[in-house]
Order: sequence, then structure tokens, then C-alpha cells
Amino acid sequence: EAQVTQNPRYLITVTGKKLTVTCSQNMNHEYMSWYRQDPGLGLRQIYYSMNVEVTDKGDVPEGYKVSRKEKRNFPLILESPSPNQTSLYFCASSRGGFTAEQYFGPGTRLTVT
Amino acid sequence: SQQGEEDPQALSIQEGENATMNCSYKTSINNLQWYRQNSGRGLVHLILIRSNEREKHSGRLRVTLDTSKKSSSLLITASRAADTASYFCATDYGGSQGNLIFGKGTKLSVKP
Repeated sequence: EAQVTQNPRYLITVTGKKLTVTCSQNMNHEYMSWYRQDPGLGLRQIYYSMNVEVTDKGDVPEGYKVSRKEKRNFPLILESPSPNQTSLYFCASSRGGFTAEQYFGPGTRLTVT
Repeated sequence: SQQGEEDPQALSIQEGENATMNCSYKTSINNLQWYRQNSGRGLVHLILIRSNEREKHSGRLRVTLDTSKKSSSLLITASRAADTASYFCATDYGGSQGNLIFGKGTKLSVKP
């Protein structure tokens, strides 16, 4: 089944404790991206990747890191999480880049206390 | 910065009625897309309309695009309770940047 998976789905952590949210897709898509969704602010893009080893900042990259060492994986790293990073996070992938249909993962709800 | 803005923010209708949601954007685009999100879940792609298209249909969905007014509308005909969800439009910057910009969404509630 074609899908985008994220792990974990729920995470409660404390300020400053490094964490990684994994994202994997099995559709051989070149383009992958991360979004955060907050009430009243909609979806905002954090980082995106056009292909392996090619990443770039979205609208809200501060406090986040990403890497794209393999085509299928695009982990999101929070080196020192803070409470303002409490949010619902989505990974997405696409065959045709950012202008094409995006396939979204199920989301990761992160709470930083 | 928000490229797309949906209107209204919330819409409540009865089953069987039509629902219309609008999206306005600021710069030229290649494509405009509509997505659906059930509460707290991942977004699902509904339809993509290219900048040289004016109207597109998919089942009970009809999307229009007016590039002169920089606006799009999503019409859901004969709505069902299962259509209850949030609907988002997403636009690019005409390809000048590598990211897709989502609006804040319209929350649709369809009452049985």
C-alpha cells in the first residue's frame, strides 16, 4: 500500500531533550516536506527536500533540522525542543515536486513541557 | 506568510445542501490544490487545477479558478454528514520558490 508513515504518533517530552520524528514513504517520491499545524495558523511548512541531500527552509525552520540521506526517509530533528514547538506535525511527499499532489502522513502530536 | 486564504472560516449546512468554499491568493501560481482534513488526521488531496484551467470536476466536487481575481472556489454538491471536515487550498508562488503554501482552512459541518 502506498503510504507515508510517521513515528511516533504521539510524544510528550521535556524542554531541551533532543528528539527525532521519523518520516518514511514507499512511493519513490523525490519531494518530501514537513509541516506544523497550529490552531488559527493553519499549516506552515518547516523544511522541504527536492531530492537526496537537497534540503531547504520553509516558512518556519527555526529550531528544527532535517536530513535526506535516503530517498524514502526524511527525519525531523528538534535539537532542543521548547514549549512553543508543541504542535501537530505532518510529513508529506510528492512525485512531481511542490506543485503536484502531496501525500500526507497521519501526523505526530508533540507536546513539550 | 499566507498565500491562500479561505472563506468562510466555518460553514454549517444540512445534509443534501451544497457547500461552497472560497480561496483567495496573492501572487501568480502554477497550480492550486484543494485538500480535506478530518479532525486531527492527515490531509487528503482532493483536486488540482492548473492556472490555465477554469473549472474542474471530480465526483460531487467542482472547483473553479479565476486567475484575474486570484481566487478559487470549491463546491461540494448534495453534501453528506461524512463530508464534515476542514478544507484547505494550497498554492505555489508560480514556481519561484520550492514550497507549497496552505491557507487556514474552512471548517465544514454537515448536519444529518
